[in-house]
Amino acid sequence: GQQVMQIPQYQHVQEGEDFTTYCNSSTTLSNIQWYKQRPGGHPVFLIQLVKSGEVKKQKRLTFQFGEAKKNSSLHITATQTTDVGTYFCVNSGGSNYKLTFGKGTLLTVNP
Amino acid sequence: GAGVSQTPSNKVTEKGKYVELRCDPISGHTALYWYRQSLGQGPEFLIYFQGTGAADDSGLPNDRFFAVRPEGSVSTLKIQRTERGDSAVYLCASSRGLAGTTGELFFGEGSRLTVL
Repeated sequence: GQQVMQIPQYQHVQEGEDFTTYCNSSTTLSNIQWYKQRPGGHPVFLIQLVKSGEVKKQKRLTFQFGEAKKNSSLHITATQTTDVGTYFCVNSGGSNYKLTFGKGTLLTVNP
Repeated sequence: GAGVSQTPSNKVTEKGKYVELRCDPISGHTALYWYRQSLGQGPEFLIYFQGTGAADDSGLPNDRFFAVRPEGSVSTLKIQRTERGDSAVYLCASSRGLAGTTGELFFGEGSRLTVL
């Protein structure tokens, strides 16, 4: 798939603080997906973004897809210890089946 | 079944041995994927099946790795002459259609392979 960079690689926050992770691509993305992997667990699908400028919310999580479809972000408001895990932005590049994962952002939350 | 099932959950083997890892996808999911995940890394694509055929095996690291899905459901990942570098968690995932468009991979819990 296309090369998508995700930052930061690690983030440690105090419980109640906000958290944001960003994905950037040098090329236009057809869509982007977000997955969460708890420590010792497997990746779990969170959401897919397809449209330019799209914003989707899931409770305290807000997902955005940039106007140029080259970047995306995941913002968590008022983190909780249950938010701990690695968040991956995933793209299919030019493929309609092959999803390429990066290293993700590891979020730790201090209670 | 309710989710993607993988067996064994843990496998410890000696260098040079042969191993098989099994994946039972969600019923009705035609697409099946194998990924490999090393510590601190994201899942790395290995192979994709659509039905019985391996539509894309470009991620298999070398010819010691092989996967089959003879009846379009259960898949087996086979690793010959295992090496220590093969140690990782092997994740299987399935999707209703094409994950790049429909947007959701369902992952199993993974098989943790340790090669001594």
